[in-house]
Amino acid sequence: ILNVEQSPQSLHVQEGDSTNFTCSFPSSNFYALHWYRWETAKSPEALFVMTLNGDEKKKGQISATLNTKEGYSYLYIKGSQPEDSATYLCAFYNQGGKLIFGQGTELSVKP
Amino acid sequence: NAGVTQTPKFRILKIGQSMTLQCTQDMNHNYMYWYRQDPGMGLKLIYYSVGAGITDKGEVPNGYNVSRSTTEDFPLRLELAAPSQTSVYFCAGGRANEKLFFGSGTQLSVL
Repeated sequence: ILNVEQSPQSLHVQEGDSTNFTCSFPSSNFYALHWYRWETAKSPEALFVMTLNGDEKKKGQISATLNTKEGYSYLYIKGSQPEDSATYLCAFYNQGGKLIFGQGTELSVKP
Repeated sequence: NAGVTQTPKFRILKIGQSMTLQCTQDMNHNYMYWYRQDPGMGLKLIYYSVGAGITDKGEVPNGYNVSRSTTEDFPLRLELAAPSQTSVYFCAGGRANEKLFFGSGTQLSVL
């Protein structure tokens, strides 16, 4: 059984706050780690796909790091805006092609 | 390119009825996936396929069947609908080590 855990489950911040979430995944049979942004009533959209230990990716004010040896990834949002409110999903990808999602972190940014 | 197209968008079934959720993509994706959205649980993998003629079970395959006779199409079949299958279903496609592209979702109610 592949276990992908995300924390916290939900987060409420004020506009301008910086925040981060954690994704834990199995450290064996690692192939890739995905991050997705999922707005209510829409489909998930990819943020990052990370494959190498130590990888760091950045897209605007959002960045992510990857530690495959200990099995975790962090997603950071610098200076959160109300439009960043969404559920952020990570997904673990093994060599067999199976992509398993965590339960998500629901972010709410108040003006 | 239309991307990943799911039909229908909404459907109401009676207990015991059967139906097929259609998914087609024109992006030449090898890998295709079916997920269901469970409240507070993120996305659960039902079935996936790494190429035409190849399918495999995900986390929650019971009550569902799939086929992949062509690269483009990956239909999901519900044989005997049960209330526990009430959910939003997402089809997605991609390639190894690349991001997934999601369909717009199918909202299914079984009454």
